[in-house]
Amino acid sequence: DTGVSQNPRHKITKRGQNVTFRCDPISEHNRLYWYRQTLGQGPEFLTYFQNEAQLEKSRLLSDRFSAERPKGSFSTLEIQRTEQGDSAMYLCASSLAVRYTEAFFGQGTRLTVV
Amino acid sequence: AQKVTQAQTEISVVEKEDVTLDCVYETRDTTYYLFWYKQPPSGELVFLIRRNSFDEQNEISGRYSWNFQKSTSSFNFTITASQVVDSAVYFCALSDANTGFQKLVFGTGTRLLVSP
Repeated sequence: DTGVSQNPRHKITKRGQNVTFRCDPISEHNRLYWYRQTLGQGPEFLTYFQNEAQLEKSRLLSDRFSAERPKGSFSTLEIQRTEQGDSAMYLCASSLAVRYTEAFFGQGTRLTVV
Repeated sequence: AQKVTQAQTEISVVEKEDVTLDCVYETRDTTYYLFWYKQPPSGELVFLIRRNSFDEQNEISGRYSWNFQKSTSSFNFTITASQVVDSAVYFCALSDANTGFQKLVFGTGTRLLVSP
């Protein structure tokens, strides 16, 4: 499978715990994006990388959130001290570094904080 | 600021009916791109089409067609002869120079239910 891969697909955690999600983009794509989608809403941009550099972060990304892409390949999104409001689908996407190209999305990680 | 409005929350049709999904956008930029994505129950967003602001030609791809009208800031999506497999949530999205064309601003989506 050469699409965007996200793991885990589902995560249930207790409030206050830390969680980490992983995204493996399409291999030749140098841009990687994280979005968050809550129930009944469209995805909202969180952050994006070009290679290993994190170039933009949304105001939605509080200081409890951190994303990395250490070698310009896979990326991780960590949420510290999870809150119930963090419950959402976290979507990863990747694209080529051309401004008018489409992004390809993974199947997402659904986080439930109880 | 950029905004995408999909006023139809949910549409139900019977198989073989035609259905149009509406999308209205707001942007101050003259250069922008519009997209449609499909989200089936599996959760993955599937790219359907990209349109740039300088190309107002309507496009047809099989049973799918798109009507882009700058005068009304609309980018509507029509499925002809709908099928059960078309059941999904459909999102319209926008990227523009203000976002550096690096991120998508999505609408809230329209859930399409096609019954046999």
